[in-house]
Amino acid sequence: LAKTTQPISMDSYEGQEVNITCSHNNIATNDYITWYQQFPSQGPRFIIQGYKTKVTNEVASLFIPADRKSSTLSLPRVSLSDTAVYYCLVGDVYRGDYKLSFGAGTTVTVRA
Amino acid sequence: GAVVSQHPSRVICKSGTSVKIECRSLDFQATTMFWYRQFPKQSLMLMATSNEGSKATYEQGVEKDKFLINHASLTLSTLTVTSAHPEDSSFYICSAISRVGNVGYTFGSGTRLTVV
Repeated sequence: LAKTTQPISMDSYEGQEVNITCSHNNIATNDYITWYQQFPSQGPRFIIQGYKTKVTNEVASLFIPADRKSSTLSLPRVSLSDTAVYYCLVGDVYRGDYKLSFGAGTTVTVRA
Repeated sequence: GAVVSQHPSRVICKSGTSVKIECRSLDFQATTMFWYRQFPKQSLMLMATSNEGSKATYEQGVEKDKFLINHASLTLSTLTVTSAHPEDSSFYICSAISRVGNVGYTFGSGTRLTVV
């Protein structure tokens, strides 16, 4: 499984854009990049997944450079309710024996 | 979207007793289910992987006789913490996927276990 490195914590204010960069230097050809959000005492919630270039959905954007050795999750105009831990995971999610393994995650704190 | 239901959401038990946690995939057939444990301020730690109808595969350091996993059907997996002790107090989370239809990792809401 590709090892990921992301900042331990980030602070922001309401209405700002938050960008979290994840490094995954040994990403494999078949690996996808997936981001999850977790609130205290809840299970992780899927945010976005991508393979290359840019992916956008209703809650976030995911930017992946050509070498795929890093990725950036972008949360536009955050609110207090976006305060959570964000996990970056890399792996071949379509492989039969794939197991999702979590790193330390990034604690994002949004202040008023 | 895919939904995974986990029950109970919280349980308190006495030391030495056993506790069962259920994980159900409500709208898809889960070919594989995973069980995680999360201590306060820490990340999720994978405990075991279970495929329907076969024995669970445990991660290194996880006692299979203490954490019994049963995946008897495509929609239900259970985790039984046997002879629970205070150090087993933690947040337990299940996840399910389906290779059929490529249903991605969907997590339950977690179970807060407190052993007193």
